[in-house]
Amino acid sequence: EAGVTQFPSHSVIEKGQTVTLRCDPISGHDNLYWYRRVMGKEIKFLLHFVKESKQDESGMPNNRFLAERTGGTYSTLKVQPAELEDSGVYFCASSQEGITDTQYFGPGTRLTVL
Amino acid sequence: GNSVTQMEGPVTLSEEAFLTINCTYTATGYPSLFWYVQYPGEGLQLLLKATKADDKGSNKGFEATYRKETTSFHLEKGSVQVSDSAVYFCALSARSYIPTFGRGTSLIVHP
Repeated sequence: EAGVTQFPSHSVIEKGQTVTLRCDPISGHDNLYWYRRVMGKEIKFLLHFVKESKQDESGMPNNRFLAERTGGTYSTLKVQPAELEDSGVYFCASSQEGITDTQYFGPGTRLTVL
Repeated sequence: GNSVTQMEGPVTLSEEAFLTINCTYTATGYPSLFWYVQYPGEGLQLLLKATKADDKGSNKGFEATYRKETTSFHLEKGSVQVSDSAVYFCALSARSYIPTFGRGTSLIVHP
């Protein structure tokens, strides 16, 4: 069974540009989560989807971040326009319906904003 | 609010040495406690967990005991291998299912 996959693995962009990160959860997992780790700091929760609906987006830092999950399958996280402080590693995780404390994480996307 | 504090790294050890990575937490109520591991180029994997006081989580030779009196969940392994080189994250999950993570501790094991 394939794990959680994320694309791209690395992205380097300039301040003011737009970047879209993609996450493909494990097939059949209804729950999808986004997290971010800024260099050397904690991994912070961004938001949680249940199928295509946003269950909790309390961790989204500001309105430059837009997450979608079309059809309840893959998810995208768009940053527009990107700022220097958005640099970090963005992790996606998924879990089965109702089993929310066991999350399976992807390898992350390392975003560098210059 | 909830928080997790873990020792700063990197921790550098020789193969077969004893490992301890300290983790303490602050939380309301009775959280579940976790250790995650991230090997190079891979995602975080749940290494072990404990859901109540005095529980011991164990996996792959690693152990951690939920100590409510000291609010700690230290990770230990008796004999590390080069393949254990990774970043280790301590985390807790309270009433919300969303884990609160520590900053991560990098472990480097030399042959």
